[in-house]
Amino acid sequence: GQQVQQSPASLVLQEGENAELQCNFSTSLNSMQWFYQRPGGSLVSLFYNPSGTKQSGRLTSTTVIKERRSSLHISSSQTTDSGTYLCASRNMGYKLTFGTGTSLLVDP
Amino acid sequence: EAAVTQSPRSKVAVSGGKVTLSCHQTNNHDYMYWYRQDTGHGLRLIHYSYVADSTEKGDIPDGYKASRPSQENFSLILELASLSQTAVYFCASRGPSYEQYFGPGTRLTVL
Repeated sequence: GQQVQQSPASLVLQEGENAELQCNFSTSLNSMQWFYQRPGGSLVSLFYNPSGTKQSGRLTSTTVIKERRSSLHISSSQTTDSGTYLCASRNMGYKLTFGTGTSLLVDP
Repeated sequence: EAAVTQSPRSKVAVSGGKVTLSCHQTNNHDYMYWYRQDTGHGLRLIHYSYVADSTEKGDIPDGYKASRPSQENFSLILELASLSQTAVYFCASRGPSYEQYFGPGTRLTVL
């Protein structure tokens, strides 16, 4: 079936450290969208990245379709980066399939 | 920027009662979606719609109905709410770029 596997499930950083979050997706899926979710909050789209590398401030997303993987790199982490990061992969049509998320805690 | 709103933001319902969750988008997007979020399951698709007056089943449609009376509005209906439907519900819309935009969510508690 269509699957998206996200790792790690949780991560604790000291402020200033970098983080690398990974998503792997099954062969029937393509492209990737990354979201950020505050505790109890909505999903904020970080990147829609069907392939290649995109950067926004301290965040960089890289998707390699032929290897069925996408990564989100956070550089120089801040306490305000704490929350849950979700990836979702699209099939050929309408649907996003979500991973179960990475819970990130950045300590001061 | 894309705007998706949901109402109510939270609701407590009685088991067996009827619940209607509403979603409104001002993006002129064709596609709209309803997801539920549970701890350990991520987000799962309940229903979606790509045109007014038409809805389609997602991955977990049982116990839910959907209604799309206009391009802007998309409702999720629980005719007989059950305890297992306690969750956070998100509405989203999607434009031609495939990127999805989410509403703020509705926290539903069924007692």
